[in-house]
Amino acid sequence: GQNIDQPTEMTATEGAIVQINCTYQTSGFNGLFWYQQHAGEAPTFLSYNVLDGLEEKGRFSSFLSRSKGYSYLLLKELQMKDSASYLCAIQTDSWGKFQFGAGTQVVVTP
Amino acid sequence: DAGVIQSPRHEVTEMGQEVTLRCKPISGHDYLFWYRQTMMRGLELLIYFNNNVPIDDSGMPEDRFSAKMPNASFSTLKIQPSEPRDSAVYFCASSRSKGYEQFFGPGTRLTVL
Repeated sequence: GQNIDQPTEMTATEGAIVQINCTYQTSGFNGLFWYQQHAGEAPTFLSYNVLDGLEEKGRFSSFLSRSKGYSYLLLKELQMKDSASYLCAIQTDSWGKFQFGAGTQVVVTP
Repeated sequence: DAGVIQSPRHEVTEMGQEVTLRCKPISGHDYLFWYRQTMMRGLELLIYFNNNVPIDDSGMPEDRFSAKMPNASFSTLKIQPSEPRDSAVYFCASSRSKGYEQFFGPGTRLTVL
C-alpha cells in the first residue's frame, strides 16, 4: 500500500529551529515536495527533492534519503507567520500523480 | 499571471442538487489536478489531466462525481446528486509539466445541507 507519515503537531518558540520528518512507502517515487498551508488558504510550494541530499532555500531546507524512504523539512529562525500546516507530498508515477501526507501543524509561540 | 482561478469560492446547496465547480489553470500549464480536502481525510487527489486528457480518475469517489476539461484553459468538476458527506474544500491545481511544483487555486468551500 501507499503510506506517508508525518507527526500531527509540533510546537516551537519564535527564533528556534524545527525539523518536520516525513517517512514514506509508495509504489513509485519520482520526487518529494513540501508545501505550506495556512489555515483557510491553499497549499503553497516550498521545496522539491528528487536526489538524495539537502536543498536549501533561505530559512527553509529539505533533505531526502531515497534508500530510507525519509525526508525532513527544517525551518530555521522561526517566525510567528510560520505557524501553518506543512504537507509532505510524493510524486508517485512518471505522469505527475501526487500523494499528500496528512500534514504537520506547526505552532510558533512567542 | 493571475494564478489558478476557481469559482465559486463558496457554495451552499441542498442534498440532491447538482453542483458544478470551475477552474482556470495557469496559462501554459499542461497538468491540471482536482483535490478534495477534509479534516478527516486530508488532501485527496480526485482526478488529473494532461493536455486536457484525463490520466487517472481512480480517486473519484463515486459515479456521482465527474470532471471534464474541454480545453486548455477550463475544467469543471460536477457532483450530481450532491450529499452532505461531499462537504469539503475542493482545490484545483496546475503544473507546467511532470516533476514541477503544483500551483493551487484558492479552493471552493462546498457545504451540502
